[in-house]
Parts: sequence; C-alpha cells; structure tokens
Amino acid sequence: QKEVEQDPGPLSVPEGAIVSLNCTYSNSAFQYFMWYRQYSRKGPELLMYTYSSGNKEDGRFTAQVDKSSKYISLFIRDSQPSDSATYLCAMRSNNAGNMLTFGGGTRLMVKP
Amino acid sequence: EPEVTQTPSHQVTQMGQEVILRCVPISNHLYFYWYRQILGQKVEFLVSFYNNEISEKSEIFDDQFSVERPDGSNFTLKIRSTKLEDSAMYFCASGPQRTEAFFGQGTRLTVV
Repeated sequence: QKEVEQDPGPLSVPEGAIVSLNCTYSNSAFQYFMWYRQYSRKGPELLMYTYSSGNKEDGRFTAQVDKSSKYISLFIRDSQPSDSATYLCAMRSNNAGNMLTFGGGTRLMVKP
Repeated sequence: EPEVTQTPSHQVTQMGQEVILRCVPISNHLYFYWYRQILGQKVEFLVSFYNNEISEKSEIFDDQFSVERPDGSNFTLKIRSTKLEDSAMYFCASGPQRTEAFFGQGTRLTVV
C-alpha cells in the first residue's frame, strides 16, 4: 500500500463549483497535513497547513483532517479558472525528522 | 512577499559531470530542504538541513549528493558524477520551523 494516495484526475468542474480534493494515507504517525498547489513546471505553493484532526478555513479554501479514517480533504468554494492546477497533499509525522511525504497530486481544471 | 529563489532555472549537463544547484532561502528561516520531482512522478524528499548540519536524509541522498550552506544566505546541492536518471526538477524549500516548508520555483536538471 502506498503511503499517501491521491486520485490523479483530471477533475474538471465548471467555474463557481465547489471542488473536493482528497488524500488517503496509511501511516498513523502522520500529524501535520499540508496542501500545496502546483502550476505546470513551477514549485509547489503552500495553501493550507493543519495539525492533527479538525477543520481549517482560509478564504475560499477549507482543509479537513479525519485521522480516524486516515483521510484528508481540501474544499475550494466558488472555483475560478485560475484555480486550475495540480493539488498536492503532503504530510509528516511528529517524530524526529522534517521529511514531507507527498501524494502524487490531483489535476484540477476549472472551465469558464 | 519573501520567496525562495533558485538558480539556474534550467541546467543541462553531460553524464558524469558535477553540478551545483543554488538556492537562497527565505531570510530568517532556520530549516532548509531539497526535494526532487522526476517528470510525472511524486515530489520526493532528499535532505533536510538545520543548525549547519544534515538533520535527515532519504535513501536517494547517497554519496553522490552533498549540501552546503557556505554563507548566511545560500544553500547548495552538489551532485557528483551525474547520471541520466538524475534528470528531474530539484526544489529547494525553507521553513521558519519544522512544520511548514515554502518551496522555490525549482531547477530543471537535464543530464544528457
């Protein structure tokens, strides 16, 4: 079983739709969860960061963590064509070490 | 807004040559990282650096690789005796603490 899994997509939605992006993971030691946005041939851009379980909201973005199910989500409200990108989840444990483990990314296309 | 800067944006090198990838992390950040992304694959951790020493490294980061922070602002990744399979995007990242990592735009390394 892969450590962090994401549906690669592409996920195509109309402008204004609510988008749900998800990751599952197998390592119960993961405590820190991040979502990055990556445009083609660019570096990952940090969108959201959460610790342990719960919800976090920032503008149009909401991150949810369900540690009991080993499942995290990113919701994008009122999606815009400029949101079209690949969304990467990343996570790390609280153990000694700073390594982020990434999912493979979900490609999102928001059509005008 | 402060950002991580990487040079060059694209490096082409012959197999067997040595390359140095350069990074200027965000000022006042304490944690520094190198990741790589082979085309179409996941972002993979290479090494983290804190307090002027390597704090963690992956299996990928073998004797072919080394990192340095030669002065107060630069952070470099040296790859000796490059191989075709070293072709990838190399990302530098930095963070104010262990929890977050802010990525640069990457250096695309092509080994021919």
